[in-house]
Amino acid sequence: DAKTTQPPSMDCAEGRAANLPCNHSTISGNEYVYWYRQIHSQGPQYIIHGLKNNETNEMASLIITEDRKSSTLILPHATLRDTAVYYCIVRATIKAAGNKLTFGGGTRVLVKP
Amino acid sequence: GAVVSQHPSRVICKSGTSVKIECRSLDFQATTMFWYRQFPKQSLMLMATSNEGSKATYEQGVEKDKFLINHASLTLSTLTVTSAHPEDSSFYICSAREAGRVDEQFFGPGTRLTVL
Repeated sequence: DAKTTQPPSMDCAEGRAANLPCNHSTISGNEYVYWYRQIHSQGPQYIIHGLKNNETNEMASLIITEDRKSSTLILPHATLRDTAVYYCIVRATIKAAGNKLTFGGGTRVLVKP
Repeated sequence: GAVVSQHPSRVICKSGTSVKIECRSLDFQATTMFWYRQFPKQSLMLMATSNEGSKATYEQGVEKDKFLINHASLTLSTLTVTSAHPEDSSFYICSAREAGRVDEQFFGPGTRLTVL
């Protein structure tokens, strides 16, 4: 699976949009971009995933660049409960990868009042 | 949504004892379950992949005789840490993939193991 690079930490203001970048310059054509987050002392929580097109759900939006070498997770209105470590993971189609998720260092997001 | 539970949520044991951690999919059948370990301020590290009814596949460097995994049913996988030592103290997290679904893994809340 392609390696991802994320900033180790970032702060954002409550109520504002949080934009979390992720670089995955070695991504290949059959690899999806997944985002999970982990609130302190809890298991990871799935947020969103995509292949080429931008995606949106009730939690966040995922913007993938046209060359697919980077993506941005957008939390439209950050709340204090969004404070967590956010992981960007690139994973091949399931049968090829055996369903594995390889977690990198993630971005530690602190939402401040 | 799909729910995965773990039991116990935290356990403290003496060095040399064995500890069993359960991972259950509550509202779906999980053909595949994964076990991760997370040390303080570090990321999750995959330990092993278990498929219902077959032997687990362990990641490189993980001792299969120390971390026994059983996935006897479509809703339950267990991880037994045998002869636990203080260096095994960690946060153990399982995840499960629903049968027939390939796009998501659902994670349990984790089990914090402290070995004295």
